[in-house]
Order: sequence, then structure tokens, then C-alpha cells
Amino acid sequence: QSVLTQPPSVSGAPGQRVTFSCTGTSSNIGAGNDVHWYQQLPGTAPKLLIYGNSIRPSGVPDRFSGSKSGTSASLAITGLQAEDEANYYCQSYDSSLSVVFGGGTKLTVL
Amino acid sequence: QVHLVQSAAEVKKPGSSVKVSCKASGGTFSSYTINWVRQAPGQGLEWMGRIVPMFGTPNYAQKFQGRVTITADESTNTAYIELSSLRYEDTAAYFCARDRGRPYFHMDVWGKGTTVIVSS
Repeated sequence: QSVLTQPPSVSGAPGQRVTFSCTGTSSNIGAGNDVHWYQQLPGTAPKLLIYGNSIRPSGVPDRFSGSKSGTSASLAITGLQAEDEANYYCQSYDSSLSVVFGGGTKLTVL
Repeated sequence: QVHLVQSAAEVKKPGSSVKVSCKASGGTFSSYTINWVRQAPGQGLEWMGRIVPMFGTPNYAQKFQGRVTITADESTNTAYIELSSLRYEDTAAYFCARDRGRPYFHMDVWGKGTTVIVSS
């Protein structure tokens, strides 16, 4: 049981926009802690996708965007591409400064 | 550009211990936090603990307290995680990841992972 809640799966057709939710509590996201997002392709290590709620690292396309409000955060992908098919994880911190992850959302590109 | 190179896969028997290494190359090591994250087959990411090599004091996830030891050797730019009393459910990929630090504390560089299989 992960501390942050993510839907198990999301799907979309190429070119569409999809969103991923990440729900926490007042002890983690709601306490003002930043949310980060990671993309994990099959058989590889996670890759930083969004940090500080909405900042894209260098090299990440602007099709990816993040936001945070209250105890939740979300990731959006526009112009969906086949190569975006992966697992997406959100991450934050709890009141004891322990790292907490969501259970991950599997994106299927139809 | 920092790279994190992890040790090779291990097969261990239940009840034994495993020690995985994570060597940093190409950049500063000591002042950043190194996290350890594991992923069981088909499951999500699970944080195990962290260490700042410069200070040497680790923090552990409550779930692993008493069974995990994280250390770092500044002279070789290497961090280690040792997990004892291994159980079948410890079979997983173990990743090290650098925490970029202030102000966002995000993990920006990851090792490729070390597979640990617990089998009799």
C-alpha cells in the first residue's frame, strides 16, 4: 500500500492529452512538500520527468507538465506518442522527511 | 555529468545478507544525498533510506529499521546498502539515486539497478 495514491492505469490514443493524478494527505503533499514525477520504461531505471511540482529538467519535452494543488498533484502529457508508454510515479516527502512514492500509473498508448 | 554505477546481480539464500554498491563518477559525490530505492518484480518503487557521504549519518525507512545498513566511502565515491536476514520478498531491483538537494530535493541521477534474487 503506497502512501501516495495513483490510478493503476491510464490510456490514450496518439496525439491525445492524458493526465495522471497523485493524491496525498496533509502529512505529505498537503504539508507543502514538493512533488516530483518519474518515468520508468520497461526494464530500465526511473528517469526524472518533473521536479518541484512543475519544472521540467533539461531535455524533457514541453509536452510534459505538472501541477500541484492542496493535497494532490497531477501530470499531463499532450500530443501523446507511442514512446510515452511507460509507468509514471509521483514522489514527495512526509512529515518525518521520509521519501514517499505513489504506486505508479501504467500508461498505455492505444 | 555524474553517473552512478551499481554492482552486479546477486543470488542469495534466505537468512543471509547482501551488500550492493553504487559508485559515482564524473562529479561531486560527498555533498549530495544518495538514496536507495527498491522495486519488487511487477511492483512500484519503495524508498529504503539515504545517506549524505559528507556527514555519514544514514536515515532509514521505518519498515527496514534494524535490517538495513547504508554506508558511504568518500575516498572511493561509493555508497553501499546492506540488507540482512533476507526473505523471499526481498527479491527486487535495488536502485541508488542522487538527491539534487535544495531547494527541491529531487532524485535527478539514478543507477541502472542491481537485481537481488533470494532463493533457496
